[in-house]
Amino acid sequence: GQNIDQPTEMTATEGAIVQINCTYQTSGFNGLFWYQQHAGEAPTFLSYNVLDGLEEKGRFSSFLSRSKGYSYLLLKELQMKDSASYLCAVNRPGGYNKLIFGAGTRLAVHP
Amino acid sequence: DSGVTQTPKHLITATGQRVTLRCSPRSGDLSVYWYQQSLDQGLQFLIQYYNGEERAKGNILERFSAQQFPDLHSELNLSSLELGDSALYFCASSAPGTVQETQYFGPGTRLLVL
Repeated sequence: GQNIDQPTEMTATEGAIVQINCTYQTSGFNGLFWYQQHAGEAPTFLSYNVLDGLEEKGRFSSFLSRSKGYSYLLLKELQMKDSASYLCAVNRPGGYNKLIFGAGTRLAVHP
Repeated sequence: DSGVTQTPKHLITATGQRVTLRCSPRSGDLSVYWYQQSLDQGLQFLIQYYNGEERAKGNILERFSAQQFPDLHSELNLSSLELGDSALYFCASSAPGTVQETQYFGPGTRLLVL
């Protein structure tokens, strides 16, 4: 079966660093996406990893280990506007259900 | 703004009714995807179209159907609506010819079935 696990909720303080983990077990793997979704709004693309290692993009970085079925999203210098859900999604090759989303991690940033 | 548009933004209807949700993909994108997101639930993939053809099917109910037209816009038809169909419905599109095929999401249609 397909399984993507993320913590349900996290809290952090403004200005701090937070790491959101994602573990996956899927049949087939063609990369992993992270999306940000504010309540009631559309998911917006943050990052894509297909090779092992760290991809840095401003305050956000994403890491992938394919052998461990593990990824994390690192958010630095947290701002209040970073309060949102963060969705991990695995891209599978082929047709059926190509992009599988985790349930998301709801991050609350406090002053 | 992702470039994907969806109409209407909100829809309120009664059980047993039928509604049509509309999506226009980003310019140049050939693939359109439909997702359902119920309250506090993850994104559930419904169906994908590529250049007018159905490409992949997810957890789409038989009461639901979709199509993609020659101008590449897509419609999702929901019939015999039930209370449990109340949800946010997102459309996404992606460009052809890339392994990554990043999906860009529209603003969604919020459906409330009373």
